[in-house]
Amino acid sequence: SQKIEQNSEALNIQEGKTATLTCNYTNYSPAYLQWYRQDPGRGPVFLLLIRENEKEKRKERLKVTFDTTLKQSLFHITASQPADSATYLCALGGYNKLIFGAGTRLAVHP
Amino acid sequence: ETGVTQTPRHLVMGMTNKKSLKCEQHLGHNAMYWYKQSAKKPLELMFVYSLEERVENNSVPSRFSPECPNSSHLFLHLHTLQPEDSALYLCASSQDPVGTGTEKLFFGSGTQLSVL
Repeated sequence: SQKIEQNSEALNIQEGKTATLTCNYTNYSPAYLQWYRQDPGRGPVFLLLIRENEKEKRKERLKVTFDTTLKQSLFHITASQPADSATYLCALGGYNKLIFGAGTRLAVHP
Repeated sequence: ETGVTQTPRHLVMGMTNKKSLKCEQHLGHNAMYWYKQSAKKPLELMFVYSLEERVENNSVPSRFSPECPNSSHLFLHLHTLQPEDSALYLCASSQDPVGTGTEKLFFGSGTQLSVL
């Protein structure tokens, strides 16, 4: 069955550093991949979408890569700030549905 | 705000109660979704409506009953729930239909449901 793996342990980093979150998947060939941010008690908020024929996508301090050979996406936040602390979800798209990972919690410390 | 409003934000109900969750989107989108989110688990898709027609039902128990009277409103009717149904229930909408490769989901803040 399709499986998405995101680090279940929280990622703790210092303010100003680059945060890198990983999304691995198996038994799936997504046509595209999305990243969402979720704050406690709120619904997820869409951040970026990257297609299978795109290697990299950027938006301000965010960068996403998509390696269909490794079956992996990396999500980077450069110059991280305490306000970036949240849970980040990846979602694989195609075949008429989005499949979400469980998310990784990021904590940026001053 | 995302343009998707859910009520109530919190709900506590007994196993014999009947209640309804409401979702309204102000974005003019054509598709609406119900998701279930349990602690430390991935979002689970429950129901999808596209242009007011149900297109997805992921084998959800019949104690959950969706209703989509128009493209802006979505309900989830609950009856005889179990304690394991306690979770955050999220509504979402998208401009493009599911599976087109461009659908970006806009979520509401969710209803935190506790079944006693």
